[in-house]
Amino acid sequence: GENVEQHPSTLSVQEGDSAVIKCTYSDSASNYFPWYKQELGKGPQLIIDIRSNVGEKKDQRIAVTLNKTAKHFSLHITETQPEDSAVYFCAAKNTGFQKLVFGTGTRLLVSP
Amino acid sequence: GAVVSQHPSWVICKSGTSVKIECRSLDFQATTMFWYRQFPKQSLMLMATSNEGSKATYEQGVEKDKFLINHASLTLSTLTVTSAHPEDSSFYICSASTGGSGELFFGEGSRLTVL
Repeated sequence: GENVEQHPSTLSVQEGDSAVIKCTYSDSASNYFPWYKQELGKGPQLIIDIRSNVGEKKDQRIAVTLNKTAKHFSLHITETQPEDSAVYFCAAKNTGFQKLVFGTGTRLLVSP
Repeated sequence: GAVVSQHPSWVICKSGTSVKIECRSLDFQATTMFWYRQFPKQSLMLMATSNEGSKATYEQGVEKDKFLINHASLTLSTLTVTSAHPEDSSFYICSASTGGSGELFFGEGSRLTVL
């Protein structure tokens, strides 16, 4: 089955810096890669996703890149703000199957 | 994005009682809903997959008689923790799929504390 690894587990940056979180997956059949932001005591919120037919997707300060050959994908947050502080989860899925496999999460702390 | 509502957001109960948590898709029909459990500072652990009108599929190690899941309509799934014990205390989260696109949207979670 699919296995998703996520690094780093914690990431501290200064406001305005960029943050990068990396994930690797094991199943070459996976073709959908979402990223979720989870604030304390709340459910995960989908912030961006990418499908295997593209290599990069951007939405304002957030971008995701995908390298299918190497089986890894990354989340890039530019001009970080304190409100970006949260736990971020990557995930992978084959849209032919129902189950979404999550990474272990990255706790991002943005200091003012 | 699509909205998934979960209720209650927190509940405290006595050991031995049963607790029901509801998950509703507010603006779309969800043929498939998922239930997760999350321990502090850990990732989401899938408990079961719920398909409308059929029995839920439980992940290995999850007791189906302890965690009863019902998905009676395209907008509602329920999780009932039966004969709850303190070790069942956790954060329970549901999600719903909009269909073949693969996108999953999550509820706000329900924190269960069993005394």
